[in-house]
Amino acid sequence: AQSVAQPEDQVNVAEGNPLTVKCTYSVSGNPYLFWYVQYPNRGLQFLLKYITGDNLVKGSYGFEAEFNKSQTSFHLKKPSALVSDSALYFCAVIPKAAGNKLTFGGGTRVLVKP
Amino acid sequence: GAVVSQHPSRVICKSGTSVKIECRSLDFQATTMFWYRQFPKQSLMLMATSNEGSKATYEQGVEKDKFLINHASLTLSTLTVTSAHPEDSSFYICSAYEASGGGSEQFFGPGTRLTVL
Repeated sequence: AQSVAQPEDQVNVAEGNPLTVKCTYSVSGNPYLFWYVQYPNRGLQFLLKYITGDNLVKGSYGFEAEFNKSQTSFHLKKPSALVSDSALYFCAVIPKAAGNKLTFGGGTRVLVKP
Repeated sequence: GAVVSQHPSRVICKSGTSVKIECRSLDFQATTMFWYRQFPKQSLMLMATSNEGSKATYEQGVEKDKFLINHASLTLSTLTVTSAHPEDSSFYICSAYEASGGGSEQFFGPGTRLTVL
């Protein structure tokens, strides 16, 4: 069965510092990979996705993620974090044979301190 | 980008009543919509896949008679929580799949917070 792991429940970072949110996955074949962000009492907002091609994917709000097939990872990164980036971040995967059903990681809460 | 709405955003009801939540794709047609449930500080759990014009597909452990799903049109899916109980209190989120989006992208609604007293 496929699974997605976000090993950190929370990440604290000072404003202006680099932000990394980790994600590893376990699926058969080559999956589609996604990052979403959730603000309090809101639905999920799409940040970026990896389907194929260049391993480095650039997304919304200055975020990017790198697909590493050998390490089965898809870590989310931002060079300089903002206080407004404080939110809950979810990594998700769709195995290509899964019929578009997303499997989510447990989520990582990011707290950016001024 | 594609927009998905949910109504209501928040509902409080008495135990034993039924609650209907609507999910609409506003500017695209969605043959498939998904319903998720999220408990506080937890991840989203897929409840069911809603297919336009056919029966919903429920995930293991989700009671189909408890959580009724109707996908009557290409822009509307409804989730009805029947005979709600306090343990059904949760944040319910829908998403809609846009086939033309390329790469199986789903667009999420803002969520509905259900509180059963």
